[in-house]
Amino acid sequence: EDKVVQSPLSLVVHEGDTVTLNCSYEVTNFRSLLWYKQEKKAPTFLFMLTSSGIEKKSGRLSSILDKKELFSILNITATQTGDSAIYLCAGRHGGATNKLIFGTGTLLAVQP
Amino acid sequence: EAGVAQSPRYKIIEKRQSVAFWCNPISGHATLYWYQQILGQGPKLLIQFQNNGVVDDSQLPKDRFSAERLKGVDSTLKIQPAKLEDSAVYLCASSRPGRDEQYFGPGTRLTVT
Repeated sequence: EDKVVQSPLSLVVHEGDTVTLNCSYEVTNFRSLLWYKQEKKAPTFLFMLTSSGIEKKSGRLSSILDKKELFSILNITATQTGDSAIYLCAGRHGGATNKLIFGTGTLLAVQP
Repeated sequence: EAGVAQSPRYKIIEKRQSVAFWCNPISGHATLYWYQQILGQGPKLLIQFQNNGVVDDSQLPKDRFSAERLKGVDSTLKIQPAKLEDSAVYLCASSRPGRDEQYFGPGTRLTVT
């Protein structure tokens, strides 16, 4: 059965800290790994990773994929209160359906 | 470009009543998805359309849930009759053909009492 597991489930840090969020996956015919940020209701797209070892970067956020060990990490440096959100990772199922299998998310709270 | 539009944003109904949600995807996105997100969980795919055809509805509880996308653009998701465990946020997403990134609408928060 396809599954995506995220850790930690929740995290409280102070502004300026660096955080690492983890995502492990077992997805049939895996094609890509996606990260989303969910603040209120709509998840917003952050990154898509398809190749191992190639870091994707956007400002203070970066992510990398390890297809051998079946995991990905999302790093956030110099955290700000606006980074407080649920971070979801999803494995993209290969084949005709191309559906996303989501993890339960990591709830990040950044305190001033 | 305009994002995915959904309505209503909130809905409260009693169990055994029916409810319908509407979604308008991003222009040019042929693939449309409906997800159910129960509190504390990640979104779970209910149904996926490619244009007006169903690609995957394996996790749609077909005894009470139905969805359509008649003209390949807007879509509606219906629940009839609703149960308490249907309380969740219903998210609509869309993507371009062949692209993995899905873009989500604001969702509809359904509360069944």
